[in-house]
Amino acid sequence: GAGVSQSPSNKVTEKGKDVELRCDPISGHTALYWYRQSLGQGLEFLIYFQGNSAPDKSGLPSDRFSAERTGGSVSTLTIQRTQQEDSAVYLCASSLGGVGNTIYFGEGSWLTVV
Amino acid sequence: SQQGEEDPQALSIQEGENATMNCSYKTSINNLQWYRQNSGRGLVHLILIRSNEREKHSGRLRVTLDTSKKSSSLLITASRAADTASYFCATGASGSARQLTFGSGTQLTVLP
Repeated sequence: GAGVSQSPSNKVTEKGKDVELRCDPISGHTALYWYRQSLGQGLEFLIYFQGNSAPDKSGLPSDRFSAERTGGSVSTLTIQRTQQEDSAVYLCASSLGGVGNTIYFGEGSWLTVV
Repeated sequence: SQQGEEDPQALSIQEGENATMNCSYKTSINNLQWYRQNSGRGLVHLILIRSNEREKHSGRLRVTLDTSKKSSSLLITASRAADTASYFCATGASGSARQLTFGSGTQLTVLP
């Protein structure tokens, strides 16, 4: 597609439920990133995929968070047993990979846990 | 941890004036990127400057990089109300393509 596509754009869920957020990167981009942004804050790195390499999961805040990237393209971020502090915008981004390449962001998925 | 830190946190100017935002960082970088974000949604890439570059222009934007001071500035000339947004700098670490590290942003308000 023309840009990074994320779905859903908005999700309200009850505390304790699981949620899945989807990211469809720009075609041909080998690198895919997930970030989280709480209200009025900067971006917090969550996870990074590059080609067939093992993902960098160093930013995942707890074992309730996991992410997959199937076939080197679409990625799903899963949050199990959601908590109110998980409420944030979850931003996906992709790039051609390698150092110094521009990273392009999707519009984000706004998650509200009630 | 935050690598880039923007200054000021908030800036309010009149339309037509220039806006300058600064970014400081701590470790060696390969590149520094500036992004814009409207209303908490997706980030739009504005400009990338590499560590061996000192200045870059794109339309009304001018970015400078001083690696000796570990700082960068973003200048928006002849600002417009539509420039109202949050602006973030993000640093790419030397030798690593893993991630960009973002600051907490500058909220720019351009008054008509």
